[in-house]
Amino acid sequence: EVQLVESGGGFVQPGGSLRLSCAASGFTFNNYWMVWFRQGPGKGLEWVSHINPDGSSAYYADSVKGRFTISRDNAKNTLYLQMNSLRAEDTAVYYCARDMSWLQSEYWGQGTLVTVSS
Amino acid sequence: ETVLTQSPATLSLSPGERATLSCRASQSVSNYLAWYQQKPGQAPRLLIHDVSNRATGIPARFSGSGSGTDFTLTIYSLEPEDFAVYYCQQFSIFGQGTRLDIK
Repeated sequence: EVQLVESGGGFVQPGGSLRLSCAASGFTFNNYWMVWFRQGPGKGLEWVSHINPDGSSAYYADSVKGRFTISRDNAKNTLYLQMNSLRAEDTAVYYCARDMSWLQSEYWGQGTLVTVSS
Repeated sequence: ETVLTQSPATLSLSPGERATLSCRASQSVSNYLAWYQQKPGQAPRLLIHDVSNRATGIPARFSGSGSGTDFTLTIYSLEPEDFAVYYCQQFSIFGQGTRLDIK
């Protein structure tokens, strides 16, 4: 059974940092592109970043470029999102997902809440 | 940049009725068009990928169609568990969602 479990969310002040993790199981992790999406309170879905299977290529939404870094450890079957210089508008539930093709994602984690506030 | 516009914003129907949800792109897009269902407090669930292919375990009452700029998700004979928010997606872009409410 495919499972994705996010962790690392929490409360942080503006300008602060957090690192999210997504532990994957039930599939061959290093065969898949992986994705981070987010959803602000009461808002729709937003793509944040995605990374190729060997971690050599990563892509970012303009809203997070230069502040967030996606990475993966294929030996640990874990996806990461390092978030720096956090802003209030980064407040959201962050989901990791397994890409099926062209960001269409069949498996999602349960999400982890990040709250940025003073 | 492509914009996906979903309509209506809210759709109120009764169980057993047919729901037709629209997703219109601001320019012609490829067939990598997906639909998701999301219930409160839950992660999105992939229903349809590549315009018309049902994801694993999705009931046959969910059907996707369309091409170019106009795409449709049809739910034949609504079940109580189908009342939720639905999003379309093309690559990194999502529509704003359609809320399907019980009438």
